[in-house]
Amino acid sequence: QVQLQESGPGLVKPSQTLSLTCAVSGVSINSLGSHWYWLRQAPGKGREWIGHIFHTGSAYYNPSLRNRLTIFLDTSKNQFSLKLTSVSASDTAIYYCARNKGDAWFDPWGQGTLVTVSS
Amino acid sequence: QSVLTQPPSASGTPGQRVTISCSGNSSNIGKNYVAWYRQLPGTAPKLLIYRNNQRPSGVPDRFSGATSGTSASLAISGLRSDDEAEYYCAAWDDSLSGPVFGTGTEVTVL
Repeated sequence: QVQLQESGPGLVKPSQTLSLTCAVSGVSINSLGSHWYWLRQAPGKGREWIGHIFHTGSAYYNPSLRNRLTIFLDTSKNQFSLKLTSVSASDTAIYYCARNKGDAWFDPWGQGTLVTVSS
Repeated sequence: QSVLTQPPSASGTPGQRVTISCSGNSSNIGKNYVAWYRQLPGTAPKLLIYRNNQRPSGVPDRFSGATSGTSASLAISGLRSDDEAEYYCAAWDDSLSGPVFGTGTEVTVL
């Protein structure tokens, strides 16, 4: 059974870097065809695609975040991570990681982790 | 950021059928498969429908999906009290080169 679990700081100061990790169990993150996503939902807002990474390590980012975002694999720990620089209050959201099986077919998802950007 | 439009709420009595709509455009629903999810507060989203109308193992056939042009719908038949949750649609968007999501619909069982 594939399971994903997000981890990271719940509070980040404005202008700092947000780092989150998604630990994957039940499947190898570098198995052929694996696509791993980060998504988020800000309070009172809709769900938003942040970016994703293939099993090869190739990453793709939402254009609105591209210049602040890095997503990478850590195959030794079977996890993938994101770093978002220069955060502001608008980055406050619940952050989810998920496995993609094609198109907008995500299964499973992590439980989500709330990140608040505040001084 | 939501690109797909859903009604904010829907309701029905136990046993009734409820249908939730999801409106997109030619870059997303008009060209790509739709998925549907259910989510309770503080929990992980759960996949209900993928590829427009396919149910994953374990999802009862009370849940069905359909598409027509640039719109999609999710039907819940035989409504039960534990169907109360938020439901939202999702589709790949060719303009964004990423997935887009619906605004979400809260289902209430009266």
